[in-house]
Amino acid sequence: RKEVEQDPGPFNVPEGATVAFNCTYSNSASQSFFWYRQDCRKEPKLLMSVYSSGNEDGRFTAQLNRASQYISLLIRDSKLSDSATYLCVVNKAGTYKYIFGTGTRLKVLA
Amino acid sequence: DAGVIQSPRHEVTEMGQEVTLRCKPISGHDYLFWYRQTMMRGLELLIYFNNNVPIDDSGMPEDRFSAKMPNASFSTLKIQPSEPRDSAVYFCASRDGDMNTEAFFGQGTRLTVV
Repeated sequence: RKEVEQDPGPFNVPEGATVAFNCTYSNSASQSFFWYRQDCRKEPKLLMSVYSSGNEDGRFTAQLNRASQYISLLIRDSKLSDSATYLCVVNKAGTYKYIFGTGTRLKVLA
Repeated sequence: DAGVIQSPRHEVTEMGQEVTLRCKPISGHDYLFWYRQTMMRGLELLIYFNNNVPIDDSGMPEDRFSAKMPNASFSTLKIQPSEPRDSAVYFCASRDGDMNTEAFFGQGTRLTVV
């Protein structure tokens, strides 16, 4: 089993739609979780950290489910500019080794 | 701060040649990471340093790859000899010591080995 797994997509959604991605991780002792965004031929950039209590930033909501070992990202009112690859990141427990999922590709259609 | 700076941005080399990729982390960051990204395997962590010391190099694919960090402001990733399967985008990232803060990535080096 991979340490961090994501559905590669692509998710094709119309503008204004709500879309959700999940990411599962294998190590129950992992402590730090993030969602990064990567545009085509660019470097990954932090979208948001994922806290135990869940957190929201505008149209984006991140959740952590420790019991089932997954994190989620919800995007409301999708914009064309949200089209990108979304990478889930989890640390290897007790270390600064950050493992990236292979990413979920989102295309928002006009 | 200018962010993480990598050079060169693009490198095309012939099989068998030595390739050196360079990275300048953000000042004050004491962790530096080298990643490789391909379509097939995504982003793979090759090695990371803490205070210039290599901590985990288990992701380095083979002895042809080596990385150094002679000081807090500079790191290199060397491939010798290079092979076509090394073609990928190589990213350098840095972060501070708070486990809950983000890593900042450089713009990457796109390596093509022909």
